[in-house]
Amino acid sequence: QVQLQESGPGLVKPSETLSLTCTVSGGSISSYYWSWIRQPPGKGLEWIGYIYYSGSTNYNPSLKSRVTISVDTSKNQFSLKLSSVTAADTAVYYCARDTIVVEAAGTANWFDPWGQGTLVTVSS
Amino acid sequence: QSVLTQPPSVSAAPGQKVTISCSGSSSNIGNNYVSWYQQLPGTAPKLLIYENNKRPSGIPDRFSGSKSGTSATLGITGLQTGDEADYYCGTWDSSLSAGGVVFGGGTKLTVL
Repeated sequence: QVQLQESGPGLVKPSETLSLTCTVSGGSISSYYWSWIRQPPGKGLEWIGYIYYSGSTNYNPSLKSRVTISVDTSKNQFSLKLSSVTAADTAVYYCARDTIVVEAAGTANWFDPWGQGTLVTVSS
Repeated sequence: QSVLTQPPSVSAAPGQKVTISCSGSSSNIGNNYVSWYQQLPGTAPKLLIYENNKRPSGIPDRFSGSKSGTSATLGITGLQTGDEADYYCGTWDSSLSAGGVVFGGGTKLTVL
């Protein structure tokens, strides 16, 4: 079955750029949406944004000015860059496969599966 | 402050039933589908319910979902100690410029 694994630095300095990669194994990255979601310590989930395998993106408006999500289909990977980080960006970052279905009764969206998550701490 | 409102905590005894509510608005729950996630301590969230009331393969029928108007409910019957976890609702929000996903703040389930 499809598995996802996040990788990247666990410590980032304030004002610098956070960079993470999600590697998809057990299936192709094609024909799906792929999302990043984060969870500050002891808090709830926040959707960061998604990318379609073709490269189209959609970001959370609250983070849009600082976020870039990209995809490398040849490596079956997608990546997150978050610029100008502060302590408020300290969180566990998850990648997940995102299913989005537009139906007559509305849009259905769900995340499955998820990566195990990686803690990124912003500190000098 | 989360867009969707969930009770911070619920509790019930083993074998009993519990429900977790998720309240939103017409721009999110009212006109879109709801999903639910279970997050066991120290682990990543796992999909429990999608499209309001559908269960992925492997999720027992003790877990159920429903939606009415701008609210959704997760039900868990035959509670087990292994069900102790945080539960999150999520949905599409059409008020965001290109649409986007919003979550509830999470509900901690304690099985007494």
